[in-house]
Amino acid sequence: DGGITQSPKYLFRKEGQNVTLSCEQNLNHDAMYWYRQDPGQGLRLIYYSQIVNDFQKGDIAEGYSVSREKKESFPLTVTSAQKNPTAFYLCATKTRQIDQPQHFGDGTRLSIL
Amino acid sequence: GQNIDQPTEMTATEGAIVQINCTYQTSGFNGLFWYQQHAGEAPTFLSYNVLDGLEEKGRFSSFLSRSKGYSYLLLKELQMKDSASYLCAVRDGTNAGKSTFGDGTTLTVKP
Repeated sequence: DGGITQSPKYLFRKEGQNVTLSCEQNLNHDAMYWYRQDPGQGLRLIYYSQIVNDFQKGDIAEGYSVSREKKESFPLTVTSAQKNPTAFYLCATKTRQIDQPQHFGDGTRLSIL
Repeated sequence: GQNIDQPTEMTATEGAIVQINCTYQTSGFNGLFWYQQHAGEAPTFLSYNVLDGLEEKGRFSSFLSRSKGYSYLLLKELQMKDSASYLCAVRDGTNAGKSTFGDGTTLTVKP
């Protein structure tokens, strides 16, 4: 089955710790995105990548980093510089076709210990 | 930049019709999407409008007026499973395919 796999489903971070959220896709989509969602709010764009080895900052990139070494993978690292990391993180992919929607993974819920 | 407004909450009765509005102010526009999101789950695609008018898909329809910066999602014959958050997202005018999301409208369907 084609899809987007995010792992882990739940993640806990200690003070001063970096954590990495995984996003893998087998849809052969070029573009990949990371969003953060806080309770009662919409999705805010952290980083996006349109092609392998290239990525751009979104609206709230501070305290986060990404890499895109393979088309299938777009991991997100939440660094210790992100002082309020507790949120629901969603990874999405999209084809180049302009009228096509984004497809979302099931999300990772990150909390602070 | 993009600014998108939706009502925070709505309540409707099973079997009824509900209209969820979305207004936007954008520096570029390349289409508007509606997504459904059940609590704790990923958003799923409902509809896409890029030209003015009504798009109908079964019980769901979506309308767009570009000159007014306005869209609505119409849900007919409401079912209990329609209780969810509905997100309006506007795609910007670049080639990056980025969308800005509204905060979502939480719809509660009552028996």
